Amino acid sequence: DAKTTQPPSMDCAEGRAANLPCNHSTISGNEYVYWYRQIHSQGPQYIIHGLKNNETNEMASLIITEDRKSSTLILPHATLRDTAVYYCIVSRQNTNAGKSTFGDGTTLTVKP
Amino acid sequence: EPEVTQTPSHQVTQMGQEVILRCVPISNHLYFYWYRQILGQKVEFLVSFYNNEISEKSEIFDDQFSVERPDGSNFTLKIRSTKLEDSAMYFCASSSDRNTEAFFGQGTRLTVV
Repeated sequence: DAKTTQPPSMDCAEGRAANLPCNHSTISGNEYVYWYRQIHSQGPQYIIHGLKNNETNEMASLIITEDRKSSTLILPHATLRDTAVYYCIVSRQNTNAGKSTFGDGTTLTVKP
Repeated sequence: EPEVTQTPSHQVTQMGQEVILRCVPISNHLYFYWYRQILGQKVEFLVSFYNNEISEKSEIFDDQFSVERPDGSNFTLKIRSTKLEDSAMYFCASSSDRNTEAFFGQGTRLTVV
């Protein structure tokens, strides 16, 4: 699976959009980008995933660049409960994120 | 909302003892996973299980580890002879398909003393 690079930490003001970047320059054609988060040592929680097109669900939006070498997770209106470690994972189509080791992730701190 | 359930939430065991960590995946899911997270470190994949057999495993998953689906609902991780370095949070996960998101349980904190 391709390696990902994320900033170690970010802050965001409550109510503002949080934009979390991820670089995956070695991604191959059959690999998906998955985002998970982990709130204070709880089990990781799935957020969103995509292949080429931008995706949106009730939690977040995922913007993938045209060359697929990077992506951005957007939390449109961050709340204090969104404070967590966010993991960007690249995984082949037939394995979802199952066999990937989660990287270091980005620690997002939402401040009042 | 359906969820993955893990028991116990915290287990303390003596070094060399066998432990069994239990998980009840979401009922219609077919793919099951175990991960571990040593305190302050990354979430690491251990093993995936489908159709009553291991489909993939990591280097961490050596002969001391085994998994089993003893009945239609439980999925267990056994560590035969625990070592101090097995102390970690162990997460179970399940997914309906190998190409869909995995849902994680809240974890079992294993402490080996």
